[in-house]
Amino acid sequence: EAGVVQSPRYKIIEKKQPVAFWCNPISGHNTLYWYRQNLGQGPELLIRYENEEAVDDSQLPKDRFSAERLKGVDSTLKIQPAELGDSAVYLCASSLDLRGGIYEQYFGPGTRLTVT
Amino acid sequence: QKEVEQNSGPLSVPEGAIASLNCTYSDRGSQSFFWYRQYSGKSPELIMFIYSNGDKEDGRFTAQLNKASQYVSLLIRDSQPSDSATYLCASLMNRDDKIIFGKGTRLHILP
Repeated sequence: EAGVVQSPRYKIIEKKQPVAFWCNPISGHNTLYWYRQNLGQGPELLIRYENEEAVDDSQLPKDRFSAERLKGVDSTLKIQPAELGDSAVYLCASSLDLRGGIYEQYFGPGTRLTVT
Repeated sequence: QKEVEQNSGPLSVPEGAIASLNCTYSDRGSQSFFWYRQYSGKSPELIMFIYSNGDKEDGRFTAQLNKASQYVSLLIRDSQPSDSATYLCASLMNRDDKIIFGKGTRLHILP
């Protein structure tokens, strides 16, 4: 079974430029998460989708970040414009329906963003 | 107060010994707890989850949960150099189904 796929793996951009990340979750997983992980920290949730619906985007900086999950499968996360403080690893994860209570979350390899 | 707290380490343990990793949480409504292993430059991978008080064993790993004291621990028996990694504790917050991660504990197994 293929795991969570993310692209690109690495991205270097200048500040104020836009950037987009793509995620393809594990087949059949209807819950998708975007996390940001800074060096020496645990992942911090940015947004969680259940199918097409963003059910938790309370930590998403909406002035510059946006996300979409069309057709309830692939998802993109966009930053426009990027700031120096956005440099981090952006992780996508997926799981089966959270409502079951106990579930396993599978992470993709992440995109390492460097803003210069 | 952080919602999930871990000692950042590094925790150094001789090969073959038991490594003990601890985590405390602040939300008494948290129901489920997870331990992830993260190698340097890699993404987290789930090792175990636990939701009932007591111990849960899986191979060399044992997760322990004490809801009254609000702590979760992970024991690794017969530690191997390949166990050297950062171990992330996470809790599922009951109030909003949000998973909160700790900062992680760096574990170093000494050959």
